[in-house]
Parts: sequence; C-alpha cells; structure tokens
Amino acid sequence: DTGVSQDPRHKITKRGQNVTFRCDPISEHNRLYWYRQTLGQGPEFLTYFQNEAQLEKSRLLSDRFSAERPKGSFSTLEIQRTEQGDSAMYLCASSLNFRGTEAFFGQGTRLTVV
Amino acid sequence: AQTVTQSQPEMSVQEAETVTLSCTYDTSESDYYLFWYKQPPSRQMILVIRQEAYKQQNATENRFSVNFQKAAKSFSLKISDSQLGDAAMYFCVTPGGSEKLVFGKGTKLTVNP
Repeated sequence: DTGVSQDPRHKITKRGQNVTFRCDPISEHNRLYWYRQTLGQGPEFLTYFQNEAQLEKSRLLSDRFSAERPKGSFSTLEIQRTEQGDSAMYLCASSLNFRGTEAFFGQGTRLTVV
Repeated sequence: AQTVTQSQPEMSVQEAETVTLSCTYDTSESDYYLFWYKQPPSRQMILVIRQEAYKQQNATENRFSVNFQKAAKSFSLKISDSQLGDAAMYFCVTPGGSEKLVFGKGTKLTVNP
C-alpha cells in the first residue's frame, strides 16, 4: 500500500463550474476525513466517514459541497458552482478506528478558482 | 469549542541546535490525545509525536520530545540536534470532539546550515 492518494493534485477551474476530487485511503482504514487548508492556516475539518457512513459535517461545508464514500472505500468531494473563496488545498486523511490513532494524509488537491 | 494557539508563526534554528515550539490548547474532553504533525514543503502531513493526556510522562520519539503541562493546557515540542530535513510547518493538534482533529495555525521552522 502506497498510502493515501488524492487525484488530481492540482485543479484550476472557472468560477461557477463544478469540480470533483477523489481520495483513496489506506485499504484497511475505516475512517476517512476531508480537511481544507488555506494559505498560512492549519487544516480545517470538513467532514468524516466511518466506512460508508458520513458521521459528521462541519458548518464550513455549505450546500454546494457534497462528499460520498460508496462501499466504504474511496471517497469523492464535489463542489458545485465554485466560488473564488473555495480556492484552497483539500486534504484527505484516513485512519484506523480507535482513539488517538494516527491520521495518514494524502498530498492534497490544490484548487484554484479563477 | 476546542482551540489551539501556536504563538510563533516562524522559528529558525541552527543545524545541530535545539528548538522549542510552543502550543496552548483548550478542550472540554477529559481523556484525550495531543499531537504534533509536520508538513514539509510540497509533501504530505506526517505525525511527529503523540501524547496521551492521562499519562504524566512526556512522550519522546528519538530527537523529538514534548513538554506536556495538563493543568496549564500547554504542549510544546522540543527538537534536539536539528537537521535540515526538519524544516517544515509544524502543527499542534488536539481532538475536536467526536473524531475530528483541530489544528493550530502552524509554526514554520527554518533550519540554517
């Protein structure tokens, strides 16, 4: 297993377009997280899955954002009608299901909305 | 709400010297873990060290150690014998309730040869 992978690594889109990002977690990890990181800030929590169930969503996740994790494997994060404020690094992480466990992060998808 | 404060946006250290990065946090949980994560330039975030709050002994991982002061809600990271590869953003991380993590704004560490 090569770790958490994210695709694409970079995405430039025009304002108003829809974008979708993919995350492939470490295969035996049942927890999967999405975070957003803007320049000069730490990552902010967006949403969390345990297997295929989306258990928590941040208030940061507006109605334009949707995430799925079909069959508890890979996950997708879709942003509809992108805005310039959506420009950020979107990080995916996965972990095992116990307290204090290490989260393994992907390299992120950098989104630029022009 | 859980919060993490890293008061040093940037730090620098000479190679082979020791540096300490500061962090204070606030959490409503009684049993929790604290973490330091490292984000090298253009590379993914990796765990540096982890501390269980109910353990009085400070965690150590090779050249990395923490000074955990539970009552003061302080969790600093000490890097000994600094190496060029230690240059990165360092994030202090606390649990945010449920299973999410709350990150500080980070400290950018520069290691000078």
